[in-house]
Amino acid sequence: DSGVTQTPKHLITATGQRVTLRCSPRSGDLSVYWYQQSLDQGLQFLIQYYNGEERAKGNILERFSAQQFPDLHSELNLSSLELGDSALYFCASSPADGDTEAFFGQGTRLTVV
Amino acid sequence: KNQVEQSPQSLIILEGKNCTLQCNYTVSPFSNLRWYKQDTGRGPVSLTIMTFSENTKSNGRYTATLDADTKQSSLHITASQLSDSASYICVVSARMNTGFQKLVFGTGTRLLVSP
Repeated sequence: DSGVTQTPKHLITATGQRVTLRCSPRSGDLSVYWYQQSLDQGLQFLIQYYNGEERAKGNILERFSAQQFPDLHSELNLSSLELGDSALYFCASSPADGDTEAFFGQGTRLTVV
Repeated sequence: KNQVEQSPQSLIILEGKNCTLQCNYTVSPFSNLRWYKQDTGRGPVSLTIMTFSENTKSNGRYTATLDADTKQSSLHITASQLSDSASYICVVSARMNTGFQKLVFGTGTRLLVSP
């Protein structure tokens, strides 16, 4: 158990809908990262937050947004969902930044039908 | 462009045999290199993390090497076990202008250990 908790584990929704994925980082970790992994693909970096502030953006669609709350948990909002958004969404956390270890949650499997 | 390339894409070996996975990167400025193991449908789990000055690091039956001059890394697995069947992902950390790091992921090598 990495200490990073993601909910829900599975999510099935229809095209055009909006969902929210939640991530609780390890106790004390300030950085949260979101990644998308489509079937048989590598991990694609979406966005990073550090202590409530956005720090880096990857290939995140405009339909997607995220935020990190004062208690350091983070939410990834996906709207106007398309079939191609079906993927595993991983959250990772690290104590701060730099040469620190990043620990991954078990992911949320999103299926858009 | 920051890229991480891994080879082979997939590999099948017999239980008990050794294997070596390769990682080439063009990430700059380099901060560190990590190898992760990802079981199907699960989150990646860190195996090793190496900085610029480290050439070799071991974690049980896993040994990672790093050649910062040629920008190559390898992960050697000895005496493979069925539980080693997984994807192995090479991740290189780049230090951004903001001072924060960006993780660049390879697409992974899918290893199958056959009985």
